Amino acid sequence: KQEVTQIPAALSVPEGENLVLNCSFTDSAIYNLQWFRQDPGKGLTSLLLIQSSQREQTSGRLNASLDKSSGRSTLYIAASQPGDSATYLCAVTGANNLFFGTGTRLTVIP
Amino acid sequence: NAGVMQNPRHLVRRRGQEARLRCSPMKGHSHVYWYRQLPEEGLKFMVYLQKENIIDESGMPKERFSAEFPKEGPSILRIQQVVRGDSAAYFCASSPQMTKGITDTQYFGPGTRLTVL
Repeated sequence: KQEVTQIPAALSVPEGENLVLNCSFTDSAIYNLQWFRQDPGKGLTSLLLIQSSQREQTSGRLNASLDKSSGRSTLYIAASQPGDSATYLCAVTGANNLFFGTGTRLTVIP
Repeated sequence: NAGVMQNPRHLVRRRGQEARLRCSPMKGHSHVYWYRQLPEEGLKFMVYLQKENIIDESGMPKERFSAEFPKEGPSILRIQQVVRGDSAAYFCASSPQMTKGITDTQYFGPGTRLTVL
């Protein structure tokens, strides 16, 4: 059964810092991997989707990498802003559904 | 194109009552997924439906829970005889197609927060 782990569980950084969030998964037979953002009391917003054949995806200040063989992904956020404060979820795609990690709660301090 | 819509956004029920959660997928989407997020836990898959068919319900509790996605109208997640442990956020997602078994991007609704008193 697929297990997805995210480290750290919580992270506080001063505004302007670059940071890395980590995600690991136990079964490398995945179709793709997504990073989501969840704001308190809100739904999920898809940030980046990496197909299993890809190594990385970039969107603005966000860069996500995927190493399928080692079961790892990272989300790099450049020049962090207070508006980046949220919970970031990693999810890997199985045949019919997504397996989610428990998330990293990010706080960017002005 | 409106996003995935869920209603109600908040639902309060007493133990033993029924809860009905509705999800309207994005226009043109024929695949619906339901997830549950318990307090301080990650999202867990419950069920995957296409129009009039349940494709995978491996994540759904065997008793009291049921889901449907009729030909017309929204998808419904129904919880009978609710208990306090059912209190959670229930999220619905939809996707337009599956190509060669690869799940397309899922678009999530804002969720329904169920509180059982």
